[in-house]
Amino acid sequence: DTEVTQTPKHLVMGMTNKKSLKCEQHMGHRAMYWYKQKAKKPPELMFVYSYEKLSINESVPSRFSPECPNSSLLNLHLHALQPEDSALYLCASSQGSSVSSYNEQFFGPGTRLTVL
Amino acid sequence: AQKVTQAQTEISVVEKEDVTLDCVYETRDTTYYLFWYKQPPSGELVFLIRRNSFDEQNEISGRYSWNFQKSTSSFNFTITASQVVDSAVYFCALLGTGANSKLTFGKGITLSVRP
Repeated sequence: DTEVTQTPKHLVMGMTNKKSLKCEQHMGHRAMYWYKQKAKKPPELMFVYSYEKLSINESVPSRFSPECPNSSLLNLHLHALQPEDSALYLCASSQGSSVSSYNEQFFGPGTRLTVL
Repeated sequence: AQKVTQAQTEISVVEKEDVTLDCVYETRDTTYYLFWYKQPPSGELVFLIRRNSFDEQNEISGRYSWNFQKSTSSFNFTITASQVVDSAVYFCALLGTGANSKLTFGKGITLSVRP
C-alpha cells in the first residue's frame, strides 16, 4: 500500500487565522516531506523530516511551522499567511533517506490552500 | 548545484500515437537518482520510475519505456500507443547526495492526448 493521505483537501483561510495541514502514512517510511506547488510550476521543497527530526528547512518563513508527532504523522501549522501563500501543499514520504536504496518519494493528493 | 531541463513545455498528440518526453540533467555527483512523476489534473504526483546513476539499463513497463544515457545526461520517457488517460503533467526529477540530497524537479511537460 503506497498511500499518503492529506487533510483537508481544500482550505480557505484569512490572513489572521491559524490552521493546520495534516499528513499521514502507514508504510513505515522514515522520511517525510512538505512541498509547495504553485500553478503550472514544479513542487518546491519546504521541509524534510528524517526519523522524526527536522533535517532540512529550505529557508521557509516562520509563518509555516512543521511538526512531526510520530513516524506516521506530519503536520504543517499555518499562521498569519499572505495571499501569495495560496498554493497546493503536498506531503510525501520515502522509506529511506536520499542516500539509501529506497529513496523514491510517494506523494499525497495535496491540500489546496487559498488565503484571502 | 544540480539542474533538470525539460525543454518541451506542452505536447499534444492524438490517441495511439507514440510520444517521447525529454529530460536532460546536470550534476557533479557520481551517485545520483533520476525519477519520473506523473501529475494528473487531480493534483497527486504519481511515482513512475527511479533510476540509479550506475544502472544504465533501459526499462519497459507496459506502454511506458525509459532510456537512460549517461553520455548525454538524458533520461527520456516514451509512451507507446498513448491514451487519453495519459494526459497529465510529467516531471523529471534528480536526487543527488550530500548538499544535493533533495529532489530537484524539471519544469514539467504538459501532455494532452486527444481522442
